Amino acid sequence: DTEVTQTPKHLVMGMTNKKSLKCEQHMGHRAMYWYKQKAKKPPELMFVYSYEKLSINESVPSRFSPECPNSSLLNLHLHALQPEDSALYLCASSREGTGGPGSGNTIYFGEGSWLTVV
Amino acid sequence: AQSVTQLDSHVSVSEGTPVLLRCNYSSSYSPSLFWYVQHPNKGLQLLLKYTSAATLVKGINGFEAEFKKSETSFHLTKPSAHMSDAAEYFCVVSEYGNKLVFGAGTILRVKS
Repeated sequence: DTEVTQTPKHLVMGMTNKKSLKCEQHMGHRAMYWYKQKAKKPPELMFVYSYEKLSINESVPSRFSPECPNSSLLNLHLHALQPEDSALYLCASSREGTGGPGSGNTIYFGEGSWLTVV
Repeated sequence: AQSVTQLDSHVSVSEGTPVLLRCNYSSSYSPSLFWYVQHPNKGLQLLLKYTSAATLVKGINGFEAEFKKSETSFHLTKPSAHMSDAAEYFCVVSEYGNKLVFGAGTILRVKS
């Protein structure tokens, strides 16, 4: 089973709202990721958690706040977003969070959460 | 730094004809290379991966890719296209720490 589950599938929020995206995997993976994908573009890495610790933050604005409560769960808390933040947010996981080039750790993606900021 | 170039932004084929999606990469190390597919309004699904074992890699749904170090290429092929193959395909190289570097994507259109 290579399933990463994301909820909600669709979210519409106002610029003053606070909401959260949730992600879950039960593959025993120790690395989890958030990616942002705009229309007609490849995904862009936002955050990486390795062994439940934040290991990479790709200079993401503070209105996006990640949280990893345990090794199976990953949240993305949203506050005071802008319309340009509207995008598909993809969660992913992999067996290990580190490893050199060629280590071949496969990253498995969820179906994504479509976010619209109005 | 590693990079990926997908040589065609759009490819159009007729159902039942071969598919070729081209990818060139740049890497200072022995790379891990992947092809992912994204159907409309869906997440990314792994098609196949290369990790320095056999240079010809077989994936799901009849796709395969050949790693050619001398040409720094990792082209994706399928002998016979199906309507359900219509999607966007991403060639990806893995950097240190599992950071993925994505190509710009190739949209495959399959005509009936």
